[in-house]
Amino acid sequence: DTEVTQTPKHLVMGMTNKKSLKCEQHMGHRAMYWYKQKAKKPPELMFVYSYEKLSINESVPSRFSPECPNSSLLNLHLHALQPEDSALYLCASSQVFGGNTEAFFGQGTRLTVV
Amino acid sequence: SQQGEEDPQALSIQEGENATMNCSYKTSINNLQWYRQNSGRGLVHLILIRSNEREKHSGRLRVTLDTSKKSSSLLITASRAADTASYFCATDLNTGFQKLVFGTGTRLLVSP
Repeated sequence: DTEVTQTPKHLVMGMTNKKSLKCEQHMGHRAMYWYKQKAKKPPELMFVYSYEKLSINESVPSRFSPECPNSSLLNLHLHALQPEDSALYLCASSQVFGGNTEAFFGQGTRLTVV
Repeated sequence: SQQGEEDPQALSIQEGENATMNCSYKTSINNLQWYRQNSGRGLVHLILIRSNEREKHSGRLRVTLDTSKKSSSLLITASRAADTASYFCATDLNTGFQKLVFGTGTRLLVSP
């Protein structure tokens, strides 16, 4: 199984809502990532988890709150988002310290904040 | 920004032709990877070239890397309509941890 599964595929939320994005992989990867991609732009790294611990936070606003409850799951909790947060949110996983290893990406959640 | 640049931004060719896209980056790297993205969905890994390698092949793909010029190129030979997608280079910064920094991307259109 080389899949990274993200749910939901699409999400529309109001600025006062609280929602969560979910990501799951069963490849035994111990590094998991959240990326944000705006239209016609490249993905930008948000967070990296290694062995279920937050290793990198790329100065992401606190209205985005990541969580890694176990080695297979990664969540991104959303609260009080702004319309400019509308984007494609991509989850990825890889081996840790793989030294020349690829990342496996999910199909993304397309988020619209209204 | 550490982001790399890719050119061209868009490329339109006919089936059977070759497509070449270039990537330039700014910092020393552990490796450089190329990914494909169809219609704004997930990215698919195509090929990885290590910093001590100069050229690599995978099927119809050929990648070169010139670390002295901080540049790489991706050649797709005998292109097909199914190759229509956006292509991104991504540098893995040598930070002891995989931290991909993506280039600006090339949108490839292959017409039948």
